[in-house]
Amino acid sequence: GAVVSQHPSWVICKSGTSVKIECRSLDFQATTMFWYRQFPKQSLMLMATSNEGSKATYEQGVEKDKFLINHASLTLSTLTVTSAHPEDSSFYICSASKAGHYNEQFFGPGTRLTVL
Amino acid sequence: QKEVEQNSGPLSVPEGAIASLNCTYSDRGSQSFFWYRQYSGKSPELIMSIYSNGDKEDGRFTAQLNKASQYVSLLIRDSQPSDSATYLCAVKFGGTYKYIFGTGTRLKVLA
Repeated sequence: GAVVSQHPSWVICKSGTSVKIECRSLDFQATTMFWYRQFPKQSLMLMATSNEGSKATYEQGVEKDKFLINHASLTLSTLTVTSAHPEDSSFYICSASKAGHYNEQFFGPGTRLTVL
Repeated sequence: QKEVEQNSGPLSVPEGAIASLNCTYSDRGSQSFFWYRQYSGKSPELIMSIYSNGDKEDGRFTAQLNKASQYVSLLIRDSQPSDSATYLCAVKFGGTYKYIFGTGTRLKVLA
């Protein structure tokens, strides 16, 4: 199998606080992980590509200082939303590619973030 | 600008009919194409991947790829109410690991 988990599945926080979301590949090694954001009734927008042991590559328009990504091991990547504001409320989804198999991405179940 | 386009729908079909979903993409160098199904509030789940011109069948689903015309389609035979969801087309453009997603087509299968 190729199972990806995310934690937490949902989170509510106050404006100005930081929130960390974890993405884990449970039964495979993921050299590359991707972070997406999806607003209501819109498609998935890629935020950044994360490779194990190196800095993430952010898509145009995504603030790297606001969305901190760490990919410290072959099974774990984290996304930290710093100083969250209501406009950051969204559905955050990660995906992972198996080492050597870059055609396919396996998606996690997503994290619903609500910033009050 | 690399783009993937889909009709947002909703596409309504009666139960038992064939649903046809279409997707066009801008980059001729694209090699990998994917159809995902997404239920409201859930993460996308992979239905089909296709890499070569022609048809690929998996149960009730058939993906069709035409690289010359730069489109990929998904046919769902014997549509069921449980097929009602948003269908996302994703394209992996040449030279990158990234997917670009279309905006999705909302399918409604009427019982």
